Amino acid sequence: EAGVTQSPRYAVLQEGQAVSFWCDPISGHDTLYWYQQPRDQGPQLLVYFRDEAVIDNSQLPSDRFSAVRPKGTNSTLKIQSAKQGDTATYLCASSLDTQYFGPGTRLLVL
Amino acid sequence: GDSVTQTEGLVTVTEGLPVMLNCTYQTAYSDVAFFWYVQYLNEAPKLLLRSSTDNKRTEHQGFHATLHKSSSSFHLQKSSVQLSDSALYYCALSKTNTGKLTFGDGTVLTVKP
Repeated sequence: EAGVTQSPRYAVLQEGQAVSFWCDPISGHDTLYWYQQPRDQGPQLLVYFRDEAVIDNSQLPSDRFSAVRPKGTNSTLKIQSAKQGDTATYLCASSLDTQYFGPGTRLLVL
Repeated sequence: GDSVTQTEGLVTVTEGLPVMLNCTYQTAYSDVAFFWYVQYLNEAPKLLLRSSTDNKRTEHQGFHATLHKSSSSFHLQKSSVQLSDSALYYCALSKTNTGKLTFGDGTVLTVKP
């Protein structure tokens, strides 16, 4: 069974640039999560979906971050105008019950 | 809100000796599950253990943990560590109706020969 896949694996940006991250969850998993993992900290939930619906995006900085899951399968997380404080690893996870994580995208904002 | 505390950022143990990684939590909810995830360098976090039953020992891959609601703890233990156990370990909790995980900041376990 294929796991959760994410792309790109790495991204380096200047402040003010935009970036998108893609997540392909495990087939059949209805729930998809995006976490931000700053260096030396645990993952922190940004947003999660059940099928195509956003269930909780209360921790998503809505002025610059957006996330969609239009068909209830793949998902995209976008940062409109990156800041140095966005430097982190962005993890996607999917679940029916237990969460399975992807390898993450490491973002460095200069 | 919910919180998870892992007091040790780094634990170093000699191969073959026992280890305990501390985890305590705060939550106002009763329908909560507790987890240990392990993350090897440049890999995804992987589930190691899960429990929601008070005072019941849960075991996997030689590791074990017992949820103690009386002390709000879910410490991870192993009786004899191996070099391959060197990794970052996260304790986490989630409300069972949402699945949202709240993580601690993690403990790096280094096993030396």
